[in-house]
Amino acid sequence: QSVLTQPPSVSGAPGQRVTISCTGSSSNIGAGYDVHWYQQLPGTAPKLLIYGNSNRPSGVPDRFSGSKSGTSASLAITGLQAEDEADYYCQSYDSSLSGSSVVFGGGTKLTVL
Amino acid sequence: QITLKESGPTLVKPTQTLTLTCTFSGFSLSTFGVGVGWIRQPPGKALEWLALIYWDDDKRYSPTLKNRLTITKDTSKNQVVLTMTNMDPVDTGTYYCAHRPNMVATTFDYWGQGTLVTVSS
Repeated sequence: QSVLTQPPSVSGAPGQRVTISCTGSSSNIGAGYDVHWYQQLPGTAPKLLIYGNSNRPSGVPDRFSGSKSGTSASLAITGLQAEDEADYYCQSYDSSLSGSSVVFGGGTKLTVL
Repeated sequence: QITLKESGPTLVKPTQTLTLTCTFSGFSLSTFGVGVGWIRQPPGKALEWLALIYWDDDKRYSPTLKNRLTITKDTSKNQVVLTMTNMDPVDTGTYYCAHRPNMVATTFDYWGQGTLVTVSS
């Protein structure tokens, strides 16, 4: 059971727009900690896609965008392409009575129809 | 450019201790704010953070695994070592090390390719 909740899967046709949600709580996203997103293509290491809620590293297309509100965050992908088919993970920081830690979502598998 | 590479055994027996080494280039772990973390991923499952070490030797561990983990650094060799005791088959997975750019940014911007560790007798 991941601290951050993501839908297990989403899908869309080429050219469409899809969003992936990441739901946390008052001890992580709701506490003001940044949310980051990673893309993991099959058989490869995760790659940073969005950092600091809505910032794209150099080289990441502007089809990818991130947002955060309250205890949740979202990743949006517009103009869906076949090469976007991958697993996507959100990540934040959690501080609670049990300790402080980096936390990841359970991951969302994006299928391009 | 920043690169990281994990190395270590591919197979360990239950109850043994796992030692993994992350060898990196393109940055120094003596630079203010910089850190290196370890993250693992069981086959077909999600990412799980394990440990993090900062430039000043500050160490952070996953609350659920902290009793089994030790992270150390060798700045002169550009290496970070993770040890995990009492290995179990559920610890099977790909282990990644990753670069944390500074203490403010809670992200990992560069990742190694990962190393698959299988726990089996």
